Amino acid sequence: AQTVTQSQPEMSVQEAETVTLSCTYDTSENNYYLFWYKQPPSRQMILVIRQEAYKQQNATENRFSVNFQKAAKSFSLKISDSQLGDTAMYFCAFLIYNTDKLIFGTGTRLQVFP
Amino acid sequence: DAGITQSPRHKVTETGTPVTLRCHQTENHRYMYWYRQDPGHGLRLIHYSYGVKDTDKGEVSDGYSVSRSKTEDFLLTLESATSSQTSVYFCAIKEDRGLEKLFFGSGTQLSVL
Repeated sequence: AQTVTQSQPEMSVQEAETVTLSCTYDTSENNYYLFWYKQPPSRQMILVIRQEAYKQQNATENRFSVNFQKAAKSFSLKISDSQLGDTAMYFCAFLIYNTDKLIFGTGTRLQVFP
Repeated sequence: DAGITQSPRHKVTETGTPVTLRCHQTENHRYMYWYRQDPGHGLRLIHYSYGVKDTDKGEVSDGYSVSRSKTEDFLLTLESATSSQTSVYFCAIKEDRGLEKLFFGSGTQLSVL
């Protein structure tokens, strides 16, 4: 079975600091996509960043970057220069190529303090 | 919201009653999904559709049925609602296989009393 594990239910960080959210996954497949979604208090699900497993280069989107370790099946999200608006629930997810099903972790609640 | 509308936004119903949630998209995307979100479980896939009248089960499909008679509409039905189905329900769409980005609706809060 394909699983996604987020071992940090809650985290906090001070504004302007850097925080890293952990994610590990389990699959025997070789081709897949990895995602981080953000869910602010508005409940909207927002795609933060996406990584194709065949790409060795880590994806980056402005202040958000990932550390993708394929052999370790690890996909952590780093948020630099944290802002109050980053306060949200963050979900790690992955999708096996040609299966169409996006599988989510249980989420990490991030609180950014002034 | 990537052209996705979920209705209703909130619903309160009683155990044993049928409930239908609607997802409507204006993007003409091939894939549509229904997820439920519960504390401690993240989002779990209920059913999804890969075309008109083409649907498949997800990991938590028991007690739910779906229908897709038009590209733009994907309905989720609880034939006889139970308290365990109290949840937030999200619809999502994806353009096609290989274009692996899901866009989500705003969610429906369903309470079964």
